[in-house]
Amino acid sequence: DSGVTQTPKHLITATGQRVTLRCSPRSGDLSVYWYQQSLDQGLQFLIQYYNGEERAKGNILERFSAQQFPDLHSELNLSSLELGDSALYFCASSVGGGQGDTQYFGPGTRLTVL
Amino acid sequence: AQSVTQLDSHVSVSEGTPVLLRCNYSSSYSPSLFWYVQHPNKGLQLLLKYTSAATLVKGINGFEAEFKKSETSFHLTKPSAHMSDAAEYFCVVSEDGNTGKLIFGQGTTLQVKP
Repeated sequence: DSGVTQTPKHLITATGQRVTLRCSPRSGDLSVYWYQQSLDQGLQFLIQYYNGEERAKGNILERFSAQQFPDLHSELNLSSLELGDSALYFCASSVGGGQGDTQYFGPGTRLTVL
Repeated sequence: AQSVTQLDSHVSVSEGTPVLLRCNYSSSYSPSLFWYVQHPNKGLQLLLKYTSAATLVKGINGFEAEFKKSETSFHLTKPSAHMSDAAEYFCVVSEDGNTGKLIFGQGTTLQVKP
């Protein structure tokens, strides 16, 4: 158990809908990351927050947005869902937010878009 | 631009024999390198990391990796495979000092035969 929690574990929804994925980092970690794992794209970095501020952005679609709240939990919002958004979404956290910091991954949220 | 190439998508070994998972990286700067493991339906777990200290890095569960700058390689080895080692292994690079953005390889599936 990494100490990172993600809810829900599974999510099934329809095209065009909007969903929210939630992540609680390990106690004491200030940085939260979101990654997407799909069969065709592999594991891709989406976005990083550090202490409430956006730190880095990766291959995140404009239909997707995220935020980190004062209690340091984070939410990833996915809207206007398409079939291709079906994937495993991981959250990770680390103490700092820089290169070399060990990231601890949550169990993931499996999103299925029908 | 940084990138990671895992040279084998699938490796099969017999229990008790050595494991070698190959990884080459491309980086313009001084990278940090990681190996993560993903067991079926689980999150990612850090096996080991290199951050410019000793070039031979020891990790958990008997795994180790050697950073070879001249060959731009970071191969993962284990002297004796165990059935519980069967999983997906990811070689990962990070080189942006200000962020924790991770770039993942495509993964290598390790099969361990009895």
